[in-house]
Amino acid sequence: QVQLQESGPGLVKPSGTLSLTCTVSGDSISSINWWSWVRQPPGKGLEWIGEIHYSGGTNYNSSLKSRVILSVDKSKNQFSLKLSSVTAADTAVYYCARGAFSYFYAMDVWGQGTTITVSS
Amino acid sequence: DIQMTQSPSSLSASVGDRVTITCRASQSISRYLNWYQQRPGKAPNLLIYGASSLQSGVPSRFSGSGSGTDFTLTISSLQPEDFATYYCQHSFSTPRTFGQGTKLEIK
Repeated sequence: QVQLQESGPGLVKPSGTLSLTCTVSGDSISSINWWSWVRQPPGKGLEWIGEIHYSGGTNYNSSLKSRVILSVDKSKNQFSLKLSSVTAADTAVYYCARGAFSYFYAMDVWGQGTTITVSS
Repeated sequence: DIQMTQSPSSLSASVGDRVTITCRASQSISRYLNWYQQRPGKAPNLLIYGASSLQSGVPSRFSGSGSGTDFTLTISSLQPEDFATYYCQHSFSTPRTFGQGTKLEIK
């Protein structure tokens, strides 16, 4: 059974950097799949942030591209998100998810989500 | 970027009703269209991938159709646990944009 678990600080100061890690169990980060981040501001819809492949390939939402870095740690079976220069608009629930090659890259497994608040 | 437009934004229906939600892409995405259900406080759950393939474990009352730019999600007979928000998303290219969501409420 594949499981994803987000971890990171729940509170980030304005102008700081948000850092989150997603730990994968039940699948190898080095598989054919892509590994994604999605966020959801309070009371709003889902926003795709970006995705990474174990080979280092990345794709980003153009609206966030200048502030986002995704990385993979194959030894720990984890992938990570860094979002810089955060503002209150970055307050959201952040999800990690697997983009499954076998399912047209649909996100078939999701983490439970972690709430990030940007506030001083 | 490909834009995804869902309609309606909200919908009231009763248990046992047949419900259809529409999703339109701003350009052709072949069959790279996925549907998710999200209950309050929970992560999204994949229902349909590839426009019409039912994800394992999802009840058969859910079905999807369409190709190109126009797609539909149909729930054949609403059950109490189906009242939630539904999102379409394309995976044809990046960014893999979501629709704005359709909130399905009890009438």
